[in-house]
Amino acid sequence: NAGVTQTPKFRVLKTGQSMTLLCAQDMNHEYMYWYRQDPGMGLRLIHYSVGEGTTAKGEVPDGYNVSRLKKQNFLLGLESAAPSQTSVYFCASSYGSGYSQPQHFGDGTRLSIL
Amino acid sequence: QQPVQSPQAVILREGEDAVINCSSSKALYSVHWYRQKHGEAPVFLMILLKGGEQKGHEKISASFNEKKQQSSLYLTASQLSYSGTYFCGTGYHGANNLFFGTGTRLTVIP
Repeated sequence: NAGVTQTPKFRVLKTGQSMTLLCAQDMNHEYMYWYRQDPGMGLRLIHYSVGEGTTAKGEVPDGYNVSRLKKQNFLLGLESAAPSQTSVYFCASSYGSGYSQPQHFGDGTRLSIL
Repeated sequence: QQPVQSPQAVILREGEDAVINCSSSKALYSVHWYRQKHGEAPVFLMILLKGGEQKGHEKISASFNEKKQQSSLYLTASQLSYSGTYFCGTGYHGANNLFFGTGTRLTVIP
């Protein structure tokens, strides 16, 4: 049982490049989330999805886009990477609404923007 | 809506107890507690829903005071394996997501 799988695990980009982070879950969860974690800042929500075909903005959505074409996958895109987007990105999923159900996290993607 | 956690860091010797607090400025519907070890993903510990219940998980338990809009995590007779950063996540009625605090770094030494 893989749970939540994130790819890639590490990536280095140059300013202005684009990339997509993939999150896949095999628990048939409806809700999926993308967070970024910076030192001293805790986990901040970027975007989330309450089901296939839906997306919504979180606390820090600027500079990111997401898509949820299939229930098991949630993609996070950076159209034009900036050094301020250097961070550790975590994907999470939950069976029901995030405020009443446990969230299960992936191992993270460590992204550096030069 | 980000909750405030205290203390920011604590160092314990094995066998000692600790309390981590999480406070919200807004009425809470739920409080989640997660533990994250260095370089790893956050791991769910427990969830407390509105109603002031207390939950336990071996020697780790938590309370939820709805009136004070706060939760406390109690770690009893700490073990080396308890080391890590503890995050609370707060849920509000009508919201689909959690707001996480900045974390409490707990270090247990022999």
